[in-house]
Amino acid sequence: AQRVTQPEKLLSVFKGAPVELKCNYSYSGSPELFWYVQYSRQRLQLLLRHISRESIKGFTADLNKGETSFHLKKPFAQEEDSAMYYCALMTGANNLFFGTGTRLTVIP
Amino acid sequence: DTAVSQTPKYLVTQMGNDKSIKCEQNLGHDTMYWYKQDSKKFLKIMFSYNNKELIINETVPNRFSPKSPDKAHLNLHINSLELGDSAVYFCASSPGAGPDTQYFGPGTRLTVL
Repeated sequence: AQRVTQPEKLLSVFKGAPVELKCNYSYSGSPELFWYVQYSRQRLQLLLRHISRESIKGFTADLNKGETSFHLKKPFAQEEDSAMYYCALMTGANNLFFGTGTRLTVIP
Repeated sequence: DTAVSQTPKYLVTQMGNDKSIKCEQNLGHDTMYWYKQDSKKFLKIMFSYNNKELIINETVPNRFSPKSPDKAHLNLHINSLELGDSAVYFCASSPGAGPDTQYFGPGTRLTVL
C-alpha cells in the first residue's frame, strides 16, 4: 500500500535561513510525487512536481528513489513562505495520497 | 474566471440531516475528485470520477455519494450526517486520467452539530 510520511508537523525557521521539509514515501510502483502548498485562507495549490525538475518560488525537490524521499528545500526562507505544505504521491489510478502536512513558519 | 468552484463555502447542519456540496470546473477537465481534510489538516481522497468511471476509496462510508450530472460537475451528497463528518471538503479536477496536476477548489467547511 502507498504511504506518504511528513515527520514534522511544525517547522519554524528565521527569515533568510535555509529550509528543508522532509517527505518520505512508500509505493510499489513508479512514483509520481508532488508538493502542494496552502497559504492562509487560500486554496490548496501545486507548488512543484518531480518530473518537471523545476524551481518554483525558490523551492526545489529531488526525488531520491534509494532513500524513497522527496524533500522540499529552499536556500533562503522568506516570510511569505509561511504556509502549510503537503507532500503527495500519485498512484496509477490518478489518486493523490497526501502526507499529514508540515506547517512552516518563517520568523522575521 | 474561477477554475474550480464549490458551494457553499460554509455549511452548518444538525446530525442526521442530508446535505449536498456542489462542485463545478470550467477547465474542460475530464477527471474530478473529492477530498476530506480533517481537523488535523490531514487530506484524504474520497472519490475520483473520470467520465463514466467512479473510483471510491474503500474507507469512505456509503452515506457519501458523488453525483455527476455532466463532465463539469461533481456534487457530493451526504446522508444521515454524523459529528465525525465535520471537516473541510475539497473538490479538485485534472485534465485526464493520467498523472496530471490537480486543481483544487476553495473548500467547503462542514460543521455538524
